Amino acid sequence: KNEVEQSPQNLTAQEGEFITINCSYSVGISALHWLQQHPGGGIVSLFMLSSGKKKHGRLIATINIQEKHSSLHITASHPRDSAVYICAVKLTGTASKLTFGTGTRLQVTL
Amino acid sequence: GAVVSQHPSRVICKSGTSVKIECRSLDFQATTMFWYRQFPKKSLMLMATSNEGSKATYEQGVEKDKFLINHASLTLSTLTVTSAHPEDSSFYICSAAPLVGTDTQYFGPGTRLTVL
Repeated sequence: KNEVEQSPQNLTAQEGEFITINCSYSVGISALHWLQQHPGGGIVSLFMLSSGKKKHGRLIATINIQEKHSSLHITASHPRDSAVYICAVKLTGTASKLTFGTGTRLQVTL
Repeated sequence: GAVVSQHPSRVICKSGTSVKIECRSLDFQATTMFWYRQFPKKSLMLMATSNEGSKATYEQGVEKDKFLINHASLTLSTLTVTSAHPEDSSFYICSAAPLVGTDTQYFGPGTRLTVL
């Protein structure tokens, strides 16, 4: 079993829909990252969380440390949100090394 | 936000040649840089952790002599794929951590290597 699990693996939504991507982990962490990878390959860091909730534009990320779970929400989704969303955790005691989930491939259609 | 660049963005080379990929932090100093490899439709796989002025730490199964890493300054790390073979074709991504003890990492845009 992977230390970091994401669901769903693939997601198709219509423009305007509210989207939720989930990430569960089984180890102790000091931080969790949400990353976005577009078809060209480049990776953008969306959020880094160690507790609570963060919001940036239409994106919201939450984390529940006790339940070892994080969610990424996209409100009013748009075709330009189509990308792979990756959850990555920094394990407690490791020097910045990240462990990655397998990613969620999101396709937003008109 | 902080910017990390990679050069080249894509490279095609013949089997047996060596290829150097550069990773630069443009507006901050990076004590630690990471090199990842990504196969199609797969997640990132950490290859090695590069610390400025010291030897890189390679992950299990990654050949040190095959993938040479040099972190000569606080803004530049290089990955050299030596004697490249078609199975080395992949997408290589670097990331940089600006300060010791921080959990922040900034990712480069990646380099697509194709070995013929």
